[in-house]
Amino acid sequence: DAGVIQSPRHEVTEMGQEVTLRCKPISGHNSLFWYRQTMMRGLELLIYFNNNVPIDDSGMPEDRFSAKMPNASFSTLKIQPSEPRDSAVYFCASSDRAGADTQYFGPGTRLTVL
Amino acid sequence: RKEVEQDPGPFNVPEGATVAFNCTYSNSASQSFFWYRQDCRKEPKLLMSVYSSGNEDGRFTAQLNRASQYISLLIRDSKLSDSATYLCVVNRGSGTYKYIFGTGTRLKVLA
Repeated sequence: DAGVIQSPRHEVTEMGQEVTLRCKPISGHNSLFWYRQTMMRGLELLIYFNNNVPIDDSGMPEDRFSAKMPNASFSTLKIQPSEPRDSAVYFCASSDRAGADTQYFGPGTRLTVL
Repeated sequence: RKEVEQDPGPFNVPEGATVAFNCTYSNSASQSFFWYRQDCRKEPKLLMSVYSSGNEDGRFTAQLNRASQYISLLIRDSKLSDSATYLCVVNRGSGTYKYIFGTGTRLKVLA
């Protein structure tokens, strides 16, 4: 079975540019999570979708960040404009129900903003 | 104070050793607890859930102490392949989605 798929795996961009990260959750999973991981802050939940609907975006750092889930098999996280402090690894995870024991993580997108 | 706290390590142990990690949490309403494993430059993966009665999976044993608000992970007979970062994860409340991750404890098993 295919796991959670993320693209790109690596992204290097310059400050001010728009960045779009993509995620395909595991088929049949109805909960999707976007996380950001840094050495200093660890893994932080950015936004959570349930049945394609954003339920909690309180972790989104600021208005420069936006996320969409137009259908059950695709989600995007967009940063516009990007800043050097956005450099991190961004993970997408899915689970078959909210509060389920197991969240399955994608391989992550390593973002570097110069 | 962080909601979930872990000793970052690294814990350097020889093969075959027993090693234990603790993790403390501050929210007494927390309902569910997990240990995830993260290899270098890889994604986190569920290692095991932590039940009130404690649970064991092969060489791994997890314990929960609600009174003192900590969970522990014990690894017996350490293998080189156990080298990784172990993340403590706490779910804030029953049926909620909000998992709070610790920053992890790094383990290095030495030959």
